[in-house]
Amino acid sequence: DVKVTQSSRYLVKRTGEKVFLECVQDMDHENMFWYRQDPGLGLRLIYFSYDVKMKEKGDIPEGYSVSREKKERFSLILESASTNQTSMYLCASTEGRNTEAFFGQGTRLTVV
Amino acid sequence: GNSVTQMEGPVTLSEEAFLTINCTYTATGYPSLFWYVQYPGEGLQLLLKATKADDKGSNKGFEATYRKETTSFHLEKGSVQVSDSAVYFCALKARGTSGSRLTFGEGTQLTVNP
Repeated sequence: DVKVTQSSRYLVKRTGEKVFLECVQDMDHENMFWYRQDPGLGLRLIYFSYDVKMKEKGDIPEGYSVSREKKERFSLILESASTNQTSMYLCASTEGRNTEAFFGQGTRLTVV
Repeated sequence: GNSVTQMEGPVTLSEEAFLTINCTYTATGYPSLFWYVQYPGEGLQLLLKATKADDKGSNKGFEATYRKETTSFHLEKGSVQVSDSAVYFCALKARGTSGSRLTFGEGTQLTVNP
């Protein structure tokens, strides 16, 4: 089975901190994604990557950056956390020609 | 741009009731359409999909038919169970979208009472 693993289920960080969210997939998928999930807004795409060291902005990239140094790992970085970044963050991956997305269990981030 | 609109929730049903969750979309060309489900405390998982007009996706008693003329992909189940309580997301992938990018609807919370 495909497994997408996010490093933390719950995180509490202070305003202004630099925050790293890590995601690892074990099926050699080309594409990886970071979404945030908020009530009434569904899932919104922050960034995605279709190859190592390649990245593209999604719909809401402001305040975020990403890193993909290895194919299996995709990191989301909050440069200076703010309270409006309190949310559920979901990582996903897909294989190049297969459009089914596999999701991690999510990281609930609270910024205080 | 591409967008997905789901019926407003939450939806509360009794066990064995009929379920419909409406989904309509806007996209250029002919997208692939999906329903994902999120059980409490978990990430999303694919429930069913359809890749061309008039296709019917089905899984676990759920069905949805790709209707190009109405740009819709409504989710139905004839008899819901308590275990179906979850959040349901409609999504699309437009043709030629780089990296298999998905666009999601707002999600519909379903609660099934015994």
